[in-house]
Amino acid sequence: KAGVTQTPRYLIKTRGQQVTLSCSPISGHRSVSWYQQTPGQGLQFLFEYFSETQRNKGNFPGRFSGRQFSNSRSEMNVSTLELGDSALYLCASSSMGQGRNNEQFFGPGTRLTVL
Amino acid sequence: AQSVTQLDSQVPVFEEAPVELRCNYSSSVSVYLFWYVQYPNQGLQLLLKYLSGSTLVKGINGFEAEFNKSQTSFHLRKPSVHISDTAEYFCAVTGGTSYGKLTFGQGTILTVHP
Repeated sequence: KAGVTQTPRYLIKTRGQQVTLSCSPISGHRSVSWYQQTPGQGLQFLFEYFSETQRNKGNFPGRFSGRQFSNSRSEMNVSTLELGDSALYLCASSSMGQGRNNEQFFGPGTRLTVL
Repeated sequence: AQSVTQLDSQVPVFEEAPVELRCNYSSSVSVYLFWYVQYPNQGLQLLLKYLSGSTLVKGINGFEAEFNKSQTSFHLRKPSVHISDTAEYFCAVTGGTSYGKLTFGQGTILTVHP
């Protein structure tokens, strides 16, 4: 099976702009989670989608949003970019059947730089 | 709420020596524990997981970990490390109603010297 793919891999934006990142999960996986990784804050959970519904959300401002499509692909959007949004954004997918705690498989990430 | 503490931010070790990376967790519900490895400019790769059953868990690349409920620990061990094990290692926990959410420790950078 192909792994989790994320596009684009690298992105440079300026303050105030908005950005959309895309994630394609492993075939058959219905759960997609997003994380932000920075040197100062480490790995922080953004949100999780399952069957097009957001089931869980981390402590991020409303500028961070996401959605999931019927084919389980997911996008996250960050509006009004700030310098502090510069980070590696990681997407992970899981089969997450009836249980909640299946392992997550991570993509390579999108490196976002805000100037 | 759940939390993870990785007790060492950096661990230097010589090739072929044993290594232990320490992880303690806090949770009010039953937990599921994971160790991930991250190489530079890459995503996270799962090393091993504890979901239930035997408290000694074996993973890929010769790594193993032991779940200790009384000490709320999940330390990662390898009896003999290689240069290629140089990477950052993350301990993570989930459980209860944490749908799709892993809570990570701050990471331990393992550097293997020749």
